Amino acid sequence: ETGVTQTPRHLVMGMTNKKSLKCEQHLGHNAMYWYKQSAKKPLELMFVYNFKEQTENNSVPSRFSPECPNSSHLFLHLHTLQPEDSALYLCASSPPTEPSGYTFGSGTRLTVV
Amino acid sequence: ELKVEQNPLFLSMQEGKNYTIYCNYSTTSDRLYWYRQDPGKSLESLFVLLSNGAVKQEGRLMASLDTKARLSTLHITAAVHDLSATYFCAVGVNTPLVFGKGTRLSVIA
Repeated sequence: ETGVTQTPRHLVMGMTNKKSLKCEQHLGHNAMYWYKQSAKKPLELMFVYNFKEQTENNSVPSRFSPECPNSSHLFLHLHTLQPEDSALYLCASSPPTEPSGYTFGSGTRLTVV
Repeated sequence: ELKVEQNPLFLSMQEGKNYTIYCNYSTTSDRLYWYRQDPGKSLESLFVLLSNGAVKQEGRLMASLDTKARLSTLHITAAVHDLSATYFCAVGVNTPLVFGKGTRLSVIA
């Protein structure tokens, strides 16, 4: 365990379903991130939160909705997804001063059917 | 816009051999990170390079940073099968880290 916990580890959902991914860290980090990793594609930054405030939305479709109720928890709400949204979704966090880099969670493997 | 390029993207090397992975980036930065990812797993931090000329070593891996050339290298010495993974470099300049596409390394007997 890295200190960043993601649940669930695997998720299969239909295109009409609504589900949520959860990320939790108790490392004292103030910034949290969602990344998407698809097969044969580079890591794509989706959202950034700093001290619970969203500071970056990287042109992500509205069927992905992030929520950050506090500095330790981050959610990604999913609805009416498409098969091409199937991917590994990674959560990461970083401390107030960046030099140590990011700590990643184990990821959620999402399959949209 | 910050761009990070790694090469090669795929590398197949024999056990016992040496090789180097290169990471070039487009904007001045004195922070560079290397991560390792095993298939189906998350990214694990390998090295944090925070100044020009920084060199870090862990086992058979050694990373260095040349901020003037905007280049980092990850050198593999006497490769073993356990090093098979995808290696990413990442650069951040007062923004979220930008990752390279990754180098998929396969070490064969």
